[in-house]
Amino acid sequence: DIVMTQSPDSLAVSLGERATINCKSSQTILYSSNSKEYLAWYQQKPGQPPKLLIYWASTRDSGVPDRFSGSGSGTDFTLTISSLQAEDVAVYYCQQYYVTPFTFGQGTRLEIK
Amino acid sequence: EVQLVESGGGLVQPGGSLRLSCAASGFTVKNHYMTWVRQAPGKGLEWVSVIYTIGSTKYADSVKGRFTISRDTSKNTLYLQMDRLRADDTAVYYCVRDKADGDNGWDYWGQGTLVTVSS
Repeated sequence: DIVMTQSPDSLAVSLGERATINCKSSQTILYSSNSKEYLAWYQQKPGQPPKLLIYWASTRDSGVPDRFSGSGSGTDFTLTISSLQAEDVAVYYCQQYYVTPFTFGQGTRLEIK
Repeated sequence: EVQLVESGGGLVQPGGSLRLSCAASGFTVKNHYMTWVRQAPGKGLEWVSVIYTIGSTKYADSVKGRFTISRDTSKNTLYLQMDRLRADDTAVYYCVRDKADGDNGWDYWGQGTLVTVSS
């Protein structure tokens, strides 16, 4: 199974500042036929289901604010929130959907400092 | 508008069974990969099972042989039959739609239904 490891487990950032969450996969999640990384980021607010933010490691889903960006390749990936807003308080998960069992990182809790 | 509405959760004794349903609207279930994901209280997300457009299925090792995913195209509904339930199956179960044939992540999630396995 592919193990997804996020860092840090929790993060406190001031409003308007940058937040960075890292995700490492235990093996490649690059689909060679289309050169896409099968890595997604989800945001989960308390009492709500997760919401898709990013797929293919760096493509924002429709309607996702452009302060959210994804980057990375190989086995190292990053979610960046360029200017933290109060509504971004949530738990963030990375996920590989390259192969079953599809696996998630353990989650990173983002709070306001 | 795409909607996924789960039902069927509740309290069940260890060794018992439940069938979860997920009524879909705004799209056709058979045209998308459909997935069940669960989340134990206060814990992270765990993939449970997927049914592909061709009807083939996959399961997490933790539920293989005990859970069965299926769909009813006439009702546009996804199901998860859960047998031989254990305490560690206690979780909120989410019905999830794959955005595009496994390429673009999972774009719609239901609100979830809570399954509690306890005596």
